[in-house]
Amino acid sequence: DAGVTQSPTHLIKTRGQHVTLRCSPISGHKSVSWYQQVLGQGPQFIFQYYEKEERGRGNFPDRFSARQFPNYSSELNVNALLLGDSALYLCASSYGETQYFGPGTRLLVL
Amino acid sequence: AQSVTQLGSHVSVSEGALVLLRCNYSSSVPPYLFWYVQYPNQGLQLLLKYTSAATLVKGINGFEAEFKKSETSFHLTKPSAHMSDAAEYFCAVGRSNFGNEKLTFGTGTRLTIIP
Repeated sequence: DAGVTQSPTHLIKTRGQHVTLRCSPISGHKSVSWYQQVLGQGPQFIFQYYEKEERGRGNFPDRFSARQFPNYSSELNVNALLLGDSALYLCASSYGETQYFGPGTRLLVL
Repeated sequence: AQSVTQLGSHVSVSEGALVLLRCNYSSSVPPYLFWYVQYPNQGLQLLLKYTSAATLVKGINGFEAEFKKSETSFHLTKPSAHMSDAAEYFCAVGRSNFGNEKLTFGTGTRLTIIP
């Protein structure tokens, strides 16, 4: 079975721009979570969606938003990008207690 | 609230030596505990998990971890290190709540293997 897929793999943006990151979960998984991993740190929880409903939100500003589609894929949107948003953005899907991570999207904000 | 502390941001061991990576957790409810490994420029791969069954958990690549409630620990071990074990290791705590599986990660331990 295919694992969690994310697109794009790499992205370069400038301050103030908007970005959309995409994630496709493992087939049969209805829950998708997003994490931000800044260089040298552990992943930080941003959002979780289950059955298209937001089930959890981490300590991130309103510039961050997400949604889940009927096919359980998900988008993470970040508006008004700041230099500090440069990070690896990880998507995870789950069915039960275990989260399976995708390869991530590396975002560089210049 | 849940939290994880990983002692030692960098650990170096010789090839063939014992690997011990330390993780202590804090949780107000019975925790689920995980170890993930991250190779350079890649995502996270699940090594093993504790979900309230056996306290000694075996994972992939010869790793295992023991849940010790009295010590609030979940240390990761491997009897004999291999060069391919060089990576970043993250301990994480979650909870049993279907549809709400937020993970809280530690800051990671970078494992270096000395030939």
